[in-house]
Amino acid sequence: DAMVIQNPRYQVTQFGKPVTLSCSQTLNHNVMYWYQQKSSQAPKLLFHYYDKDFNNEADTPDNFQSRRPNTSFCFLDIRSPGLGDAAMYLCATSRGGAGSPLHFGNGTRLTVT
Amino acid sequence: DQQVKQNSPSLSVQEGRISILNCDYTNSMFDYFLWYKKYPAEGPTFLISISSIKDKNEDGRFTVFLNKSAKHLSLHIVPSQPGDSAVYFCAASAERRGSTLGRLYFGRGTQLTVWP
Repeated sequence: DAMVIQNPRYQVTQFGKPVTLSCSQTLNHNVMYWYQQKSSQAPKLLFHYYDKDFNNEADTPDNFQSRRPNTSFCFLDIRSPGLGDAAMYLCATSRGGAGSPLHFGNGTRLTVT
Repeated sequence: DQQVKQNSPSLSVQEGRISILNCDYTNSMFDYFLWYKKYPAEGPTFLISISSIKDKNEDGRFTVFLNKSAKHLSLHIVPSQPGDSAVYFCAASAERRGSTLGRLYFGRGTQLTVWP
């Protein structure tokens, strides 16, 4: 089945210790997104790639970076995690056309100790 | 600033009855609206969408209604089933000029519980 896969499902890191979350897709979609979702809040877009074009949201902290080495993979790097970065991180893909639905992975739950 | 609002954090409905989930938005430029369903420990899954040129879209037990003048949409589930128990997110997008990308703005979600 074509899908969006996120690894790991659960990640624990120490305050200030860099961490990388990964996402892969078999849908061959042009667009890949990273969302952050905190408890009882709306998913918040951090950035997205349209093919290799990177688009950063204006309010995404510099602490968050992303890489997309090829169509299938996308990484979220948190350079110096703070306690406030503990959240669910959702990767999603879409074809990118008007109204195209996003296909989400199951997320990575990040805990910062 | 929340451009998509789901003001009811939870809704409880008896099996077989209608579930109505509501969503309001503030940005008149939104032209696509989508509903996602999320089970615990899973990512959101796409449920149904509607374009701003329509006022109703139906898919099986699920119907979405759009009232542009009121900037309001709703999702109706008839009949409701226990397996529908999940968090439902409303989302909206506004196509940027010259772009084929629809950035989605999400509401905070409504927890639907369908009891037997």
